[in-house]
Amino acid sequence: GENVEQHPSTLSVQEGDSAVIKCTYSDSASNYFPWYKQELGKGPQLIIDIRSNVGEKKDQRIAVTLNKTAKHFSLHITETQPEDSAVYFCATNMDSNYQLIWGAGTKLIIKP
Amino acid sequence: DSGVTQTPKHLITATGQRVTLRCSPRSGDLSVYWYQQSLDQGLQFLIQYYNGEERAKGNILERFSAQQFPDLHSELNLSSLELGDSALYFCASSVFGGGTGELFFGEGSRLTVL
Repeated sequence: GENVEQHPSTLSVQEGDSAVIKCTYSDSASNYFPWYKQELGKGPQLIIDIRSNVGEKKDQRIAVTLNKTAKHFSLHITETQPEDSAVYFCATNMDSNYQLIWGAGTKLIIKP
Repeated sequence: DSGVTQTPKHLITATGQRVTLRCSPRSGDLSVYWYQQSLDQGLQFLIQYYNGEERAKGNILERFSAQQFPDLHSELNLSSLELGDSALYFCASSVFGGGTGELFFGEGSRLTVL
């Protein structure tokens, strides 16, 4: 079936450095690619999303890039801060139904 | 605050029992989703309802069932509970539920089966 592979599963970076998380998908019909952040003890929250008609989207320190040919999209966080520590999930839709298919998550640790 | 309310926040019960988890979506949202998240695991999609009707089904066990009521709140029923059912159960809502819009998650119901 359709799936989304997310790497790495854990990422530890020094405060102030950049972090990159990558997801690969299999359905060429996918056209929506959100990223969710889950802080400890809370539900996931959308932080940024991109649709297939653009290749990059930025929101302050966060950016998402999409390569439809290679079927992968990435989350970039610059100038990381302690509050960026969380689990990040990528997801994408499938054209054939209404589900989002989720990556397994990346635990981002920001070292002081 | 996402606007999605889940009750109870915590629930401890024994194997073989049945529990009901409740979700009130954001005002105006027609679609409700249920997800299961086991310890240090990802989000497993269980089921989606749109305006009272089942729209999509994921890896939901036959022992589990759900419904969405006319006032759009939803309940997830878990029966014949097993130790492995211990998890966080999230409800999310969205305006339309077509797979391309933001999902608003509640804070989850943590179920512990002893």
